[in-house]
This record gives sequence, structure tokens and C-alpha cells, in this order.
Amino acid sequence: GENVEQHPSTLSVQEGDSAVIKCTYSDSASNYFPWYKQELGKRPQLIIDIRSNVGEKKDQRIAVTLNKTAKHFSLHITETQPEDSAVYFCAASRSDGGFKTIFGAGTRLFVKA
Amino acid sequence: SQTIHQWPATLVQPVGSPLSLECTVEGTSNPNLYWYRQAAGRGLQLLFYSVGIGQISSEVPQNLSASRPQDRQFILSSKKLLLSDSGFYLCAWRILGGRKGYEQYFGPGTRLTVT
Repeated sequence: GENVEQHPSTLSVQEGDSAVIKCTYSDSASNYFPWYKQELGKRPQLIIDIRSNVGEKKDQRIAVTLNKTAKHFSLHITETQPEDSAVYFCAASRSDGGFKTIFGAGTRLFVKA
Repeated sequence: SQTIHQWPATLVQPVGSPLSLECTVEGTSNPNLYWYRQAAGRGLQLLFYSVGIGQISSEVPQNLSASRPQDRQFILSSKKLLLSDSGFYLCAWRILGGRKGYEQYFGPGTRLTVT
């Protein structure tokens, strides 16, 4: 079945440094790739997404890149701040058959002040 | 604007008891609806999804079931809870089409503890 692998599972960075989280997906028909941020005890929040017809997208300090040929995509956070500390999930969706979204296992990001 | 509600927020149930969790969406029509479960410290597992009233697709065989009796209502049920059913249950919705047609949003979740 469909699978999304996410690395690393834990990431610790110093405030101001960059953080990179990488994901690979198995379903070549996937065409939408969202990223969610989940703070402790709360619901996941959509922070950025990218569609398959785009290679890169940026929103202030966060950016996503997509390589459809290699079936991998990445989240880049620059100038990290303590409030960026959370669990980040990547996901892959295909816009047919109910538009299911399959999530990676998550990356726990710690930003040390 | 659209909002999604889930209740209850927290639930403690004994093993073998029944379960009913409810999710409703406001401010939209004909959404796709999804149930996810998140075990403590783990990822998001898709349990069920629905593209319309009465249409349910199951992703994982288990003792849970789902129903969609109305367009904006999605219910997760169990006849007999297991200890392994403990977790954070999240309902999600998306509307197809339009500029934001691919985005999926989560409800506030129900934290279920089976004792």
C-alpha cells in the first residue's frame, strides 16, 4: 500500500540555525504534499503545501521542495525560533479515490534558545 | 468560514464498553470527511473516509466502524472497546475544487483512554 517515510524522527537545532526534514513517498500518483505542525496536545495545523506541478514553494521562513522523479520532498525552516519546537508531519495525497492523505511518522523538532 | 467540531473532548471508557464519537462541519457542503487515530507519541493513522452521505471506506480492519448519516456529520463507533483503542481521535475535512481545494483541516480531537 501507500507509504510515506520521514527522517529524522528527532531533530535538535540551536536557535537561528536551519532545520531540514525529508520525506519519501511510494505512490507515484500522489500529487499533493502538505506539511503539518502539531504542538503538544493540539490538533495538527497545516503550515505549507505543494502540488506536483511545482518544484519549490516558500512562505517567509519555511520552504518546501519536491522532486517527483525521486519521489521525495523536504521542509526547510530557516532562522529557527523556540516557538518552532513541535512535531512536524509530512504527507502525500492523490486527488482521486476519496483524496486520502497518508502521513509520515513525524519529526520532533527542538529549538534550543 | 468553515468550522469543525468534535465531541466529547475527553473520554475515559472501560474495556468492552461501546463508543460513539461525533464530528460535524459547519459553513460548507459536501465535504470529504476523514477519521484518524493518533496513539501517544505516534503518527496519524487514517481509519475511515467518506466522500458523501452513506459512503464509507475503511482503511484498517479493526473493531471500529464509521457512519455518515448527514452531509456534515461523521460518526465513529465501536461495540466493544479494546485497550489498544486508546488514542487521540481526529476528524478532518476537505472541500474539493477552488483555490484551496486540496487543503485538509483537522478538528480539535477527542482524547480517548480505555481502562
